[in-house]
Amino acid sequence: EIVMTQFPATLSVSPGERATLSCRASQSITKNLAWYHQKPGRAPSLLVFGASTRATGVPARFSGSGSGTEFTLTINSLQSDDFAVYYCQQYNNWPRTFGQGTKVEI
Amino acid sequence: EGQLVESGGGLVQPRRSLRLSCEASGFTLRDYEMNWVRQAPGKGLEWLGYISTNTRTIYADSVKGRFTVSRDNDRNSVYLVMNDLRVDDTAIYYCAREDSNPWHDDFDTWGQGTLVTVSS
Repeated sequence: EIVMTQFPATLSVSPGERATLSCRASQSITKNLAWYHQKPGRAPSLLVFGASTRATGVPARFSGSGSGTEFTLTINSLQSDDFAVYYCQQYNNWPRTFGQGTKVEI
Repeated sequence: EGQLVESGGGLVQPRRSLRLSCEASGFTLRDYEMNWVRQAPGKGLEWLGYISTNTRTIYADSVKGRFTVSRDNDRNSVYLVMNDLRVDDTAIYYCAREDSNPWHDDFDTWGQGTLVTVSS
């Protein structure tokens, strides 16, 4: 099983600042990585797939990068709606696995 | 576009069974691969199982042999049958649609989830 490790666990950021979230895979997953965010009481929602392609309707302030085992999600100019928990997920191998999440808080 | 709505959750005693349903609308279910994911209270996301368009299934080791995913395209629904439930199966259960892009298997649409509580 591929283990996905996210860091930091919690990121404290002020509105308008940049947030950088990291995700590491225990073995290469090429670019088969997705990022989701989840607000309290809501279902997860897709942000990025293929490590760097924004999903439909996702603002340009979200950008994903990386390949192999190291990945980054950058959120520029954080807005109040962006404070949530962010998960990475690999879909290169079975079983599909998620990171434990990074909480982005004010 | 498209929408998924889960149902069937509730309070169930340990060792009992439960069937969850996921009804799709706004897209043709038969064209999509589907997954189930759960989230225990205050915890992260755990992938449980997958069903292809031709009903091939794959499961997480944690539920293999206890949980079964199936689909009925005529009813626009996917199901998760959970047997021999345990207290640690308590979670919100989500169904999720896979991206139609053949090169990517991300989950582009999620239901709102249904809560299953296993307790005596």
